[in-house]
Amino acid sequence: AQSVSQHNHHVILSEAASLELGCNYSYGGTVNLFWYVQYPGQHLQLLLKYFSGDPLVKGIKGFEAEFIKSKFSFNLRKPSVQWSDTAEYFCAVSPPGYSTLTFGKGTMLLVSP
Amino acid sequence: DTAVSQTPKYLVTQMGNDKSIKCEQNLGHDTMYWYKQDSKKFLKIMFSYNNKELIINETVPNRFSPKSPDKAHLNLHINSLELGDSAVYFCASSPTSNSYGYTFGSGTRLTVV
Repeated sequence: AQSVSQHNHHVILSEAASLELGCNYSYGGTVNLFWYVQYPGQHLQLLLKYFSGDPLVKGIKGFEAEFIKSKFSFNLRKPSVQWSDTAEYFCAVSPPGYSTLTFGKGTMLLVSP
Repeated sequence: DTAVSQTPKYLVTQMGNDKSIKCEQNLGHDTMYWYKQDSKKFLKIMFSYNNKELIINETVPNRFSPKSPDKAHLNLHINSLELGDSAVYFCASSPTSNSYGYTFGSGTRLTVV
């Protein structure tokens, strides 16, 4: 069974700082990869996804992620965070043709103004 | 129009009661899911239905019984509620039995007292 590790449980940044959240997965084959964001008290929203092709994926709100197959990683980045980026961020994986998502335990990002 | 809608948004009930959470999607998707988010924000799949048929049933107590009257609805009935059932329950849907095009509902916060 696949698993997902998010190494940082809490990250605190000042506005305009750069962000990188780590995500590693364990699965021997091809996977679909996702980053979701959950703002306080709200539902999950898709930031970006990778299925195939260019390993550098651009998502909404200035986020991007890079799939590095050799490292089984899919790290999320943003060059300059804003206070409104304060939220919980979840990495998730799913093998192609398999519908359920396996989530990491989430990273709480707090951006101070 | 809300794509995946859940009711109620909040549910507070006593131990031992039976309760239901309803989910409806108007996206024409074939597959629907229930995920549980515990107090530590960890998200885990509970059930998956494709065209009204159960396709995934993770290790969930049999007090939890999903029901899908048609492919647009997936309800979750919980018998004999326990304190440990307190969580946020998210419904989701996807077009087919793969992870492309997932849409999550806004969640139901269940509190058992």
